[in-house]
Amino acid sequence: DAGITQSPRHKVTETGTPVTLRCHQTENHRYMYWYRQDPGHGLRLIHYSYGVKDTDKGEVSDGYSVSRSKTEDFLLTLESATSSQTSVYFCAISELTGTGIAEQYFGPGTRLTVT
Amino acid sequence: LAKTTQPISMDSYEGQEVNITCSHNNIATNDYITWYQQFPSQGPRFIIQGYKTKVTNEVASLFIPADRKSSTLSLPRVSLSDTAVYYCLVGDRTGGFKTIFGAGTRLFVKA
Repeated sequence: DAGITQSPRHKVTETGTPVTLRCHQTENHRYMYWYRQDPGHGLRLIHYSYGVKDTDKGEVSDGYSVSRSKTEDFLLTLESATSSQTSVYFCAISELTGTGIAEQYFGPGTRLTVT
Repeated sequence: LAKTTQPISMDSYEGQEVNITCSHNNIATNDYITWYQQFPSQGPRFIIQGYKTKVTNEVASLFIPADRKSSTLSLPRVSLSDTAVYYCLVGDRTGGFKTIFGAGTRLFVKA
């Protein structure tokens, strides 16, 4: 399995508090992603990174910010958590290959509950 | 970004071949087609990827017609452990991979 860890794995927080989720990889892959998964919606891309300090928005980026100061770490921050951000959050990594785009490897997920 | 359309759910029996079709009418010239599998409480796992015609690996086959507006994932002789959600994605390999997973197809394999 690809070396991807997410922390914390579970978190319960109150509305209005800031929350930071961490994704750490040991594969030295260039691309990193944050997704959220909710029942009936599949996975939706929040933000992605294509290098250190290079990030871009996905389809559901409102209310989230990201930072990538090192190749191995990609942080997702909820500045002021809301109940609508209760979800399972997955981090993923990928790298380009000569034969085509490389598959994404996913972390174990973080279950976030905002009360 | 090319959106994809898949059936919401499918049922099958052990030992049968399962074909899941994905529609991607707006696929771009540079887009590849990739399929993932997801079990409950786990992140998705790569199954297969292709650009055109047919691709086969130890897990599945991927059939892509000449116009590339659809693709079919074929799972030979499914077992109970193939019960999962299957996602079809299209994306450009250059400059990163901004992805749209969609809701996927929930496959339920019965004994």
